[in-house]
Parts: sequence; C-alpha cells; structure tokens
Amino acid sequence: RKEVEQDPGPFNVPEGATVAFNCTYSNSASQSFFWYRQDCRKEPKLLMSVYSSGNEDGRFTAQLNRASQYISLLIRDSKLSDSATYLCVVNVRTGGFKTIFGAGTRLFVKA
Amino acid sequence: DADVTQTPRNRITKTGKRIMLECSQTKGHDRMYWYRQDPGLGLQLIYYSFDVKDINKGEISDGYSVSRQAQAKFSLSLESAIPNQTALYFCATSDPTDHEQFFGPGTRLTVL
Repeated sequence: RKEVEQDPGPFNVPEGATVAFNCTYSNSASQSFFWYRQDCRKEPKLLMSVYSSGNEDGRFTAQLNRASQYISLLIRDSKLSDSATYLCVVNVRTGGFKTIFGAGTRLFVKA
Repeated sequence: DADVTQTPRNRITKTGKRIMLECSQTKGHDRMYWYRQDPGLGLQLIYYSFDVKDINKGEISDGYSVSRQAQAKFSLSLESAIPNQTALYFCATSDPTDHEQFFGPGTRLTVL
C-alpha cells in the first residue's frame, strides 16, 4: 500500500463546476500536509498548506482530518487554467525526515 | 532569473555511461533535494542534504550518488546509467523554517 494515496484521475469537469480531490495517508507520524500543483511537463509548485482547522484561499479549500488520516482539496467555480495535476504531499518525522508525494490527480477543465 | 536552475534540461545517453545532473539555487536555502518522477508513481526522493556537510539517502538512492559542492550547488550522478533510470529528475530547495519546497524546471533523462 502506498503511504500517500490519491483519487485516480483524470477528472473531466466543465468550467464553473466544483470538484473535490481526496487523499489518504498511512503514517500516523505525519506532521504537515500540503497540496502542490503541477502543470504538464513543469515543476510542482505549492498551492496551499493544509491545517487541522481547514483553510481557504480564494476558490480553493483544504481540509485535514487527522483521525481518519484524510486530506481534501475543493475547487469551486473551476477555470480552464485550473487544468493541472494536483499532488498531495505529507511530511513525516520519525527520527529522520521524509516528504512523501502522492502520485497526483489530473484535472481537465473544459469550456 | 529562476531561483532554482537545472542543467542539462534534456539528456539522451547510453547504458553504462556516467551522467551528472547539476542544480544551482539563489534562494539561500540550506536544504536541497533530488527527486525522480515516473508516470503514475509520483515524486520519489533520491538524496537530500540539509547543509554542505550533510548528505542523506532517500528512498531510492541505489545507482545514484550526490555531491554538495556549496550551499548553492547540489549535483546528482549516475555512475553507470541503465534504462530504468529514464525519468524526469527534479532538484528542490527549502528553508528549515518553512516546509515549502521550491523546484527546478526538471531534467528529462533518457537512457537507451
């Protein structure tokens, strides 16, 4: 089982739609959580950190449920420019250091 | 100018050849990382370094070595390249007070 698992993609949605991505992690020593965005053939870039209280940045909302070891990303009013791969990322500290990237979920937003 | 640069951007080589991928950063970060990305597998950590005198193996270090020549430079070597090392390689940096990682543009390596 992968340490960080994401919804299989791709998600194909029309402009204006609301889309939700889910991510689960298996290591209970996971300490910090993030969503990164990666455009085709480009480097990943931080989209937002994920806090226990939930956090929002414009059209994007991230939630963390530590008890269920679950992270989500909600995108409201999807834009064509939101088309990308979204990576769930978990930092684990168990003596050493480990950042684990999910395989990503691909989103296509269509006109 | 980009904060994290990688050279070369693309490389095609043959099995058994020695290859070096270079990474430079102007962000002033102590922490640097090398990842590889394969379709459907996400990013996998090869090596990381928390300062010039610190080198640590990641989850897939076999077949790779690294050198941290300076705070700003971290190179990755494939001593004898093999076809299953064909992948997209990313260098990244971070500050210890901030968990965000900043990635270079990637190097696409093909081993024939």
